[in-house]
Amino acid sequence: DSGVTQTPKHLITATGQRVTLRCSPRSGDLSVYWYQQSLDQGLQFLIQYYNGEERAKGNILERFSAQQFPDLHSELNLSSLELGDSALYFCASSSRDSYTEAFFGQGTRLTVV
Amino acid sequence: AQTVTQSQPEMSVQEAETVTLSCTYDTSESDYYLFWYKQPPSRQMILVIRQEAYKQQNATENRFSVNFQKAAKSFSLKISDSQLGDAAMYFCAYRGVFSGGGADGLTFGKGTHLIIQP
Repeated sequence: DSGVTQTPKHLITATGQRVTLRCSPRSGDLSVYWYQQSLDQGLQFLIQYYNGEERAKGNILERFSAQQFPDLHSELNLSSLELGDSALYFCASSSRDSYTEAFFGQGTRLTVV
Repeated sequence: AQTVTQSQPEMSVQEAETVTLSCTYDTSESDYYLFWYKQPPSRQMILVIRQEAYKQQNATENRFSVNFQKAAKSFSLKISDSQLGDAAMYFCAYRGVFSGGGADGLTFGKGTHLIIQP
């Protein structure tokens, strides 16, 4: 158990819909990262938050957004969903000074039908 | 932008033997970190080993070791005494360091599927 909790584990929704994925980082970790894993794109970094503020952006679509709340949990919002958004979405967390370790949650499997 | 290349989509090894997974990367930075992650069928991403670019000594974790060649931008993973539990997807990953401090997101390779033959 990495200590990073993601909910829900599985999500099935229709095209055009909006969903919210939730991540609770390890206790004490200030940084949260979101990644998308799909068959065609592989593992891609989407976005990073540090202590409530956006820190870095990767290949995140404009239809996607994220935020980190005062209690440090984070949410990834996916809107106007398309079939190609079907993927495994990972959250990872690390402490401020931990350049070397990022702990991954078990992921949310999103299926868009 | 940094890129990570794993040229072996699949590798197979006999149990108890040694296997080496290849990884090359491209970066213009001098300070960064490299990782190997394992993803078993459970889909959990598990850190196997890490290497700081400023360290010349190759990292070792029990049966796992790396061959880090900074000038060649190569970072291979050697698994000794392969076990059935080592069967998984293995991802090589790169992490840059912000000039103002803090670490960037990971850039992953496409992965190598490792099969262990009993």
